[in-house]
Amino acid sequence: GENVEQHPSTLSVQEGDSAVIKCTYSDSASNYFPWYKQELGKRPQLIIDIRSNVGEKKDQRIAVTLNKTAKHFSLHITETQPEDSAVYFCAAPPGGKLIFGQGTTLQVKP
Amino acid sequence: GAGVSQSPSNKVTEKGKDVELRCDPISGHTALYWYRQSLGQGLEFLIYFQGNSAPDKSGLPSDRFSAERTGGSVSTLTIQRTQQEDSAVYLCASGGLADTGELFFGEGSRLTVL
Repeated sequence: GENVEQHPSTLSVQEGDSAVIKCTYSDSASNYFPWYKQELGKRPQLIIDIRSNVGEKKDQRIAVTLNKTAKHFSLHITETQPEDSAVYFCAAPPGGKLIFGQGTTLQVKP
Repeated sequence: GAGVSQSPSNKVTEKGKDVELRCDPISGHTALYWYRQSLGQGLEFLIYFQGNSAPDKSGLPSDRFSAERTGGSVSTLTIQRTQQEDSAVYLCASGGLADTGELFFGEGSRLTVL
């Protein structure tokens, strides 16, 4: 199959708290897992990605972890800020094309 | 320009009419995707072009949808006999690598079918 499942669909946190979004994929040959952020009315933009030869990658307040055995990967945002409010999409390349998850709407309450 | 350019930005059409949406990818990018995003929904894969390979059309929802990429650059998505359920934002994205690199999205073409 070529599914990329993402949850939760919505997430509300208080400013300063952490947020975690999880995705699962079905194609064990997938080797690249990006995360995109889409602010309201704007185009999606890459915020972080991870390749299958590593288990974790960090960039300031965001990190991504990958469990190839279980075929799932997660986005972690620490010390959330109001400007983190957006829709976040995970993706994976089953069959060689990039397929996106359903998206998670993150709301950070000040 | 430096980014992915899409036109028109907005298109209103009547049910049953044909529409063409255009995408100018970043120069030199070999990968080009079309996605559809309905209001408040996710990014639905439609079609993928990679270099001179045959396109992956597995996401096209019906035979009313087709796409071409001429000369490995500009792409056109055509929707024939439009239906109201075709109303959505159609996003084009290009990338420099096959399936393991950053995609750069255009602003999208918002299609409204009356």
